[in-house]
Amino acid sequence: KAGVTQTPRYLIKTRGQQVTLSCSPISGHRSVSWYQQTPGQGLQFLFEYFSETQRNKGNFPGRFSGRQFSNSRSEMNVSTLELGDSALYLCASSLAITGRQETQYFGPGTRLLVL
Amino acid sequence: AQKVTQAQTEISVVEKEDVTLDCVYETRDTTYYLFWYKQPPSGELVFLIRRNSFDEQNEISGRYSWNFQKSTSSFNFTITASQVVDSAVYFCALSGKRGTGANSKLTFGKGITLSVRP
Repeated sequence: KAGVTQTPRYLIKTRGQQVTLSCSPISGHRSVSWYQQTPGQGLQFLFEYFSETQRNKGNFPGRFSGRQFSNSRSEMNVSTLELGDSALYLCASSLAITGRQETQYFGPGTRLLVL
Repeated sequence: AQKVTQAQTEISVVEKEDVTLDCVYETRDTTYYLFWYKQPPSGELVFLIRRNSFDEQNEISGRYSWNFQKSTSSFNFTITASQVVDSAVYFCALSGKRGTGANSKLTFGKGITLSVRP
């Protein structure tokens, strides 16, 4: 079974631009979560999508948004990029079985550099 | 609030040595879940093991073993007979009771960089 895929793998943008990252979950997984990893803050939760609805959100400004499609694929958007948004963005997918906490499986990440 | 502390930042061992990675957690949830992930230089987080708070049995899986002690809020991970390919950053993570989401978010520690020298 194919793992979580993320595109693009690398991205260079300039301040003020916006960017869209894509994540395709493992087949059959319906929950997609996004995390930001930086050297200073470590791994931080951005948000989770399930059944095309944002179910959970971390402590990030409104410039960070996302969506999920009917096939469970998810996109994450960052508007008005700042230098501090340079990071590795990781997507994780999991089954979504009511009442159970499922293991999250991660993709290879998208490395975003903001100049 | 949940918190994961990995006091060790870097560990260097010689191949075939055993190495233990420490993890201490804080949570008010009565049901919670603990994980270890490995991050090689490629960047992908690779799932290693998972432990539920209501199951304190410690296990061994190949060269990996883990010691979950609820009384001390610790979830330590041991690699036996380390190999060069084990060189990576290791993260301990905690999730609590699900809210409205399909899953509860993962709270990660800062990670431990393990270097295994030949």
